[in-house]
Amino acid sequence: DGGITQSPKYLFRKEGQNVTLSCEQNLNHDAMYWYRQDPGQGLRLIYYSQIVNDFQKGDIAEGYSVSREKKESFPLTVTSAQKNPTAFYLCASSNEGRGGMNEQFFGPGTRLTVL
Amino acid sequence: AQKITQTQPGMFVQEKEAVTLDCTYDTSDQSYGLFWYKQPSSGEMIFLIYQGSYDEQNATEGRYSLNFQKARKSANLVISASQLGDSAMYFCAMREGRNTGFQKLVFGTGTRLLVSP
Repeated sequence: DGGITQSPKYLFRKEGQNVTLSCEQNLNHDAMYWYRQDPGQGLRLIYYSQIVNDFQKGDIAEGYSVSREKKESFPLTVTSAQKNPTAFYLCASSNEGRGGMNEQFFGPGTRLTVL
Repeated sequence: AQKITQTQPGMFVQEKEAVTLDCTYDTSDQSYGLFWYKQPSSGEMIFLIYQGSYDEQNATEGRYSLNFQKARKSANLVISASQLGDSAMYFCAMREGRNTGFQKLVFGTGTRLLVSP
């Protein structure tokens, strides 16, 4: 079955530690995204990547880093510089092209809690 | 200025009844796309329906339809014959510049729908 997997589902981190959230897709999509969701809020874009070895900052990139070495994978690192990292993190992917719907497909999410 | 506004934090509906979830948007682009996503308690975002700004007819997808009023900049989601499994958060999102390659999505704050027996 094609889809997006994220791991782990739950992650606990001590203050001052970096953690990496995994995101893998087998949909053959070119574009991948990371969003953050806080309670009672919509999704906010952290980083996105349209193609391998290229990525761009979203609206709230400070304290986060990403890599895109393979088409299928787009891991997100939450660094110690992120002041308030406790949140729900969602990864998504889509085909991107001019015109068309190009809806984003989402993974099941990772809930990060800083202790 | 907020791009997507969902004014209903919560909505209640009885099973088998129809419900409308409101969404208004703000854009100066002529070309844009509007999406609705469902987020159950499990957390995953599920794509429901899409409306392009140049689409002449309102989008429909099974029990979901989109009441698109371009002049009023509204894109309300209508769920007919509600089911208990429809209880979830619903998010409206907009993508600007439909014909310019990559376009990021901007999400509203969501509406929590509860369907009662």
